Amino acid sequence: KAGVTQTPRYLIKTRGQQVTLSCSPISGHRSVSWYQQTPGQGLQFLFEYFSETQRNKGNFPGRFSGRQFSNSRSEMNVSTLELGDSALYLCASSLGALDSGNTIYFGEGSWLTVV
Amino acid sequence: GNSVTQMEGPVTLSEEAFLTINCTYTATGYPSLFWYVQYPGEGLQLLLKATKADDKGSNKGFEATYRKETTSFHLEKGSVQVSDSAVYFCALYLRGSTLGRLYFGRGTQLTVWP
Repeated sequence: KAGVTQTPRYLIKTRGQQVTLSCSPISGHRSVSWYQQTPGQGLQFLFEYFSETQRNKGNFPGRFSGRQFSNSRSEMNVSTLELGDSALYLCASSLGALDSGNTIYFGEGSWLTVV
Repeated sequence: GNSVTQMEGPVTLSEEAFLTINCTYTATGYPSLFWYVQYPGEGLQLLLKATKADDKGSNKGFEATYRKETTSFHLEKGSVQVSDSAVYFCALYLRGSTLGRLYFGRGTQLTVWP
């Protein structure tokens, strides 16, 4: 059974540009959540989607957005990139919504470098 | 609020040594507890979990017991291997919360020498 798949794995962008990251959850999983990992802040929750609806959002500016499609695949977008957005972006999936108690599985992440 | 506190790293051990990584939590509700492991250049892998008090999660020789009285979920392994070198994250999840999300500790870097 395939795991959580994230693309691209590595990318370099310039300040001011925008980026879109993609996540394919484990087959059958309907909840997708996103986390940002940096050395300084650790793992921070971005948002969670369930059945194409954003259910929860972390404390990030509006430049960070996401969506979920009918096949549960999700994308996150960061506009007007800043140097501080350089991070590992992790996608996670679970069977039900996060509050259903299902185990949460992570992908290998997308490494974003902003120069 | 909800938070997880892990012991500061890095932790350096010789092969076959005993490992303990302390984790304590604060939760406004009733949490499930997890340990995730991150190998260099990779994402997070679920190592073990416990969903209620006194549950013991175990996997690959690692164990952790959910202690509600001490709000702790310490990770232990009796004999570490070089391949266990990684960053370990303790996390909690509040079941039934409308703000469902994982709360992570800052991670503990473990290095095991042969």
